[in-house]
Amino acid sequence: SAVISQKPSRDICQRGTSLTIQCQVDSQVTMMFWYRQQPGQSLTLIATANQGSEATYESGFVIDKFPISRPNLTFSTLTVSNMSPEDSSIYLCSASPSYGYTFGSGTRLTVV
Amino acid sequence: AQTVTQSQPEMSVQEAETVTLSCTYDTSESDYYLFWYKQPPSRQMILVIRQEAYKQQNATENRFSVNFQKAAKSFSLKISDSQLGDAAMYFCASYSGGSNYKLTFGKGTLLTVNP
Repeated sequence: SAVISQKPSRDICQRGTSLTIQCQVDSQVTMMFWYRQQPGQSLTLIATANQGSEATYESGFVIDKFPISRPNLTFSTLTVSNMSPEDSSIYLCSASPSYGYTFGSGTRLTVV
Repeated sequence: AQTVTQSQPEMSVQEAETVTLSCTYDTSESDYYLFWYKQPPSRQMILVIRQEAYKQQNATENRFSVNFQKAAKSFSLKISDSQLGDAAMYFCASYSGGSNYKLTFGKGTLLTVNP
């Protein structure tokens, strides 16, 4: 199955700033997914990213807050914009559908 | 819409013993896939086991096996000979086909392994 490198692994950011998270896959994948995992919670899908088209966002998530790029079949970025403490979470990317949805190692974001 | 329910927020097991984690799901699709993921404190999501709905045989991966009861929409995970390294959050997830390939996750079960 695919291997995903996700960066950064963690960051502490000031409110009002933006952070871009990168995911690099070691093989071409059709779709990538971005999730948010709030402390002690399950994973919530933010959006699905296809190469060459705009990302599809889930209810409660908007492009202005979470812009996503998918320039090719091996790479995607998620930006968390105008951050507030409520954005403090783990963010994970995932690629599908291989044997079973591979995940990046996650980015632990703390907004102060 | 798909739903996945894990009714056990926390479970504990003695090292070398066997533990079963419960999961129920709901889908109107006939073709779907079910997964168990493990998330240790490192937060890496690790695929433990996967089951295709059309397969009657329960999936097995070393010490991990599932009890897939299609009619009851139940998909439990059995961990045999539990090891300290099995301690983690376990998530049950489903994918019910379609072009969006979205996974639906349960709320998770935190497994503690006692030495």
